[in-house]
Amino acid sequence: DIQMTQSPSSLSASVGDRVSITCRASQGIINSLAWYQQKPGEAPKLLLYAASRLESRVPSRFSGSGSGTDYTLTISSLQPEDFATYYCQQYYSIPRTFGQGTKVEIK
Amino acid sequence: QVQLQQWGAGLLKPSETLSLTCDAYGGSLSGYYWSFIRQAPGKGLEWIGEINQSGNTDYSPSLKSRVTISIDMSKSQFSLKLSSVTAADTAVYYCARAPAWRPGFFDSWGQGTLVTVSS
Repeated sequence: DIQMTQSPSSLSASVGDRVSITCRASQGIINSLAWYQQKPGEAPKLLLYAASRLESRVPSRFSGSGSGTDYTLTISSLQPEDFATYYCQQYYSIPRTFGQGTKVEIK
Repeated sequence: QVQLQQWGAGLLKPSETLSLTCDAYGGSLSGYYWSFIRQAPGKGLEWIGEINQSGNTDYSPSLKSRVTISIDMSKSQFSLKLSSVTAADTAVYYCARAPAWRPGFFDSWGQGTLVTVSS
């Protein structure tokens, strides 16, 4: 199985801050990476796929980058509705595996 | 826009079989892969397995011996069975859709079903 490691596990930030979350795969996944946002009591929501492709109707303040084993989700200007937990997920191979999550909290 | 609506028993005893069904309202099962994913209380996401319109399946190795995913194209439904459940199977279970052109990431999710295993 490919292990996905996110950092940090949690962070505190203010509205308007630029926030970055990293995800490292235990082997190369050739950009087969998705990012999700999950709010309490809700299902995850797809933000990006193929490491950097924005899902339709997702605000452009979300962006993704990376290659090989290392990937980054960036929120350019944090909004109140962005406080949530974020997960990366590889789909290069089966089983599909997720990072452990990064909780973004209000400072 | 497809809506995934799921249902199934929410309380099971150890050794029973978990059974969930997911319906793709407003859409077809064709052209997609269909997965189940679970999330234990306060924990992260765990992929269980997937099926395509031809009935081909892949399962997580850690659950493979206990999991069966099936599909009914005529009803636009797919289903999960997980046998011999224990307390470790207590989780919110989600169904989800992945595009067939590049299966593996999930662009639509069901609302989730909390399944509790307790004697």
